Amino acid sequence: AQKITQTQPGMFVQEKEAVTLDCTYDTSDQSYGLFWYKQPSSGEMIFLIYQGSYDEQNATEGRYSLNFQKARKSANLVISASQLGDSAMYFCAMRENVVYTGNQFYFGTGTSLTVIP
Amino acid sequence: NAGVTQTPKFRVLKTGQSMTLLCAQDMNHEYMYWYRQDPGMGLRLIHYSVGEGTTAKGEVPDGYNVSRLKKQNFLLGLESAAPSQTSVYFCASSMGGSGANVLTFGAGSRLTVL
Repeated sequence: AQKITQTQPGMFVQEKEAVTLDCTYDTSDQSYGLFWYKQPSSGEMIFLIYQGSYDEQNATEGRYSLNFQKARKSANLVISASQLGDSAMYFCAMRENVVYTGNQFYFGTGTSLTVIP
Repeated sequence: NAGVTQTPKFRVLKTGQSMTLLCAQDMNHEYMYWYRQDPGMGLRLIHYSVGEGTTAKGEVPDGYNVSRLKKQNFLLGLESAAPSQTSVYFCASSMGGSGANVLTFGAGSRLTVL
């Protein structure tokens, strides 16, 4: 089974509008971390936001917020007031703490976001 | 503060040639990882290390070897390159443990095998 599922290969959003990128995860651990990374066309991986499994509040970082629904095992990224510079590939990732092997990070297949002027 | 540095950034190989990708981090991170990124497949873990002198296989280890003789360096070797190994390779590192210990990535290395 996939650890991280991103079901939206591509998304379009009008500039200044909000957009939600979907992410569901699969784990039996109680302690885990959820991350979102941005990959612009230049190729680097940029960390955006983190949510711990025990955090009761949804994480926010500027225009980014993570809509964490633990029972549904979803960790959607919300980008408010989209800007042209938000056009990029977005990856959802999960960290599990595996006995004997330590931290393991799993990535989804990504969502390509295009912001339309 | 350089973070994670990968060399080379680009390389073209012929089938059967060997090469080594070097990853260096200056953050004193315990964990280091090598991923490959292919279109539509996200990032897949090749090998990783939980500390100096340790290595372990990830999801797609075949055709690759790694070494971590020094804590700051993690080398990825291709013994006999194949066209299927054409990809973008990312090295990443983290502190390990729980909490918001983020994966920090290098800029990537684009490898083409002809």
